[in-house]
Amino acid sequence: AQSVTQLGSHVSVSEGALVLLRCNYSSSVPPYLFWYVQYPNQGLQLLLKYTSAATLVKGINGFEAEFKKSETSFHLTKPSAHMSDAAEYFCAAGLSGSARQLTFGSGTQLTVLP
Amino acid sequence: ETGVTQTPRHLVMGMTNKKSLKCEQHLGHNAMYWYKQSAKKPLELMFVYSLEERVENNSVPSRFSPECPNSSHLFLHLHTLQPEDSALYLCASSQTQGSNTEAFFGQGTRLTVV
Repeated sequence: AQSVTQLGSHVSVSEGALVLLRCNYSSSVPPYLFWYVQYPNQGLQLLLKYTSAATLVKGINGFEAEFKKSETSFHLTKPSAHMSDAAEYFCAAGLSGSARQLTFGSGTQLTVLP
Repeated sequence: ETGVTQTPRHLVMGMTNKKSLKCEQHLGHNAMYWYKQSAKKPLELMFVYSLEERVENNSVPSRFSPECPNSSHLFLHLHTLQPEDSALYLCASSQTQGSNTEAFFGQGTRLTVV
C-alpha cells in the first residue's frame, strides 16, 4: 500500500526566509503527487500537483515542488515566507490522479515568525 | 455560489441525537467523498460516491450513513455517535476521468459529540 511521510509535524521560519516542507512517498511506480494547504477552520486547497509532465512543478502563492524519483521525494518550497503562509500543509500520493486513491500524509504545521 | 459547500460549519450533538451533514458541489463533478480529519492523524477517506453509486466504504461504523441523491449533493447521516467521533468532516468532489481529477474540498463541519 502507498504511504506518505511528512518529516516534521511543525516547522517554523522567519518571514522572508526559505520555506522547505518535506514529503517522501513509498511506491515502486512514480505516483501522482499533490500538495494541499489548509488554513484554520477551512478545507483543503490544492497548491500544486505532479502528474509526470515536468519534475519541477509550480503552484499557487509562489510555492513549487520538485519530484525526485531517486529520493522518492516531493518537497515543497517557497523562496520567501510570508505571514499569510502560516497554515497546515498536506502531501498526498496516488497511483492515479483519482482522488479516490489518494493517501495523505499527517500534515506539517507551518508557523511564520515576524 | 461556486465550489464545494458544507453545512453546518459547526455541530454539537449528544450521543443519542440524530443529525445530518450536507455537502453541495457546483463544479459539475461526478464523484463525491467524505473524509474524517482527526487531530494528529492523517486524513481518512470514509466514503466515495461515483455517479451517485457508493463505490467505497472504508470500514466505517454503521452509525455513519451516507446518502447521495444526485451528483451535486451528498449527505452524512449521524446517529448514536461516540465522543471519539468528534472531528472535522470534510466533503470533496472530483472528476473521475480526464487530466484534472484532483479533489476539491469543502470547508468542513466541525463535529463535537458530547
